Amino acid sequence: EAGVVQSPRYKIIEKKQPVAFWCNPISGHNTLYWYRQNLGQGPELLIRYENEEAVDDSQLPKDRFSAERLKGVDSTLKIQPAELGDSAVYLCASSLSSATNEKLFFGSGTQLSVL
Amino acid sequence: GENVEQHPSTLSVQEGDSAVIKCTYSDSASNYFPWYKQELGKGPQLIIDIRSNVGEKKDQRIAVTLNKTAKHFSLHITETQPEDSAVYFCAARGQAGTALIFGKGTTLSVSS
Repeated sequence: EAGVVQSPRYKIIEKKQPVAFWCNPISGHNTLYWYRQNLGQGPELLIRYENEEAVDDSQLPKDRFSAERLKGVDSTLKIQPAELGDSAVYLCASSLSSATNEKLFFGSGTQLSVL
Repeated sequence: GENVEQHPSTLSVQEGDSAVIKCTYSDSASNYFPWYKQELGKGPQLIIDIRSNVGEKKDQRIAVTLNKTAKHFSLHITETQPEDSAVYFCAARGQAGTALIFGKGTTLSVSS
């Protein structure tokens, strides 16, 4: 069974440019998460989806970040415009259901460098 | 909200020794405590988890213990091997449906 797939693996952009990350969760997983991991830190939640509904986006900087999960499967996270402080690894994770099954499966992440 | 503290931040052991990583949490309503292993360039991988109705869980060389009264839980790795070298994260989750809160990680180095 394929795991959580993320692309691209690496992205280098100039500040003020837009960037987008894509995630394909494990088949059948209703819950999808985007986490940000700064160097030397643990993952921090940005947004959580139950199917196509964003149920927790309290930590998402909405002035520059946006996300969507059309049809409740794939998801895209966008930053526009990017700032130097956005350099981090962006991790996508999925689980069967956040209410009944807590086990999270992570993708390999997208490492973003903003110059 | 939940806050998770993890110690130590780095840990070096000799192959064959045991390693212990400790975490404390703040929300007494938290009821799920997983541990993740992250290797360089990869996402975190779940290695073991425990729920609040259990005090200890073991899986081969790894075990997790939970003290609900003191609000702390620990990861124990016995007979460490060089391939155990990685960053380990503890996490905690409060009510069902809320997100995992992670500790800052422990870099474990096992030398042969």
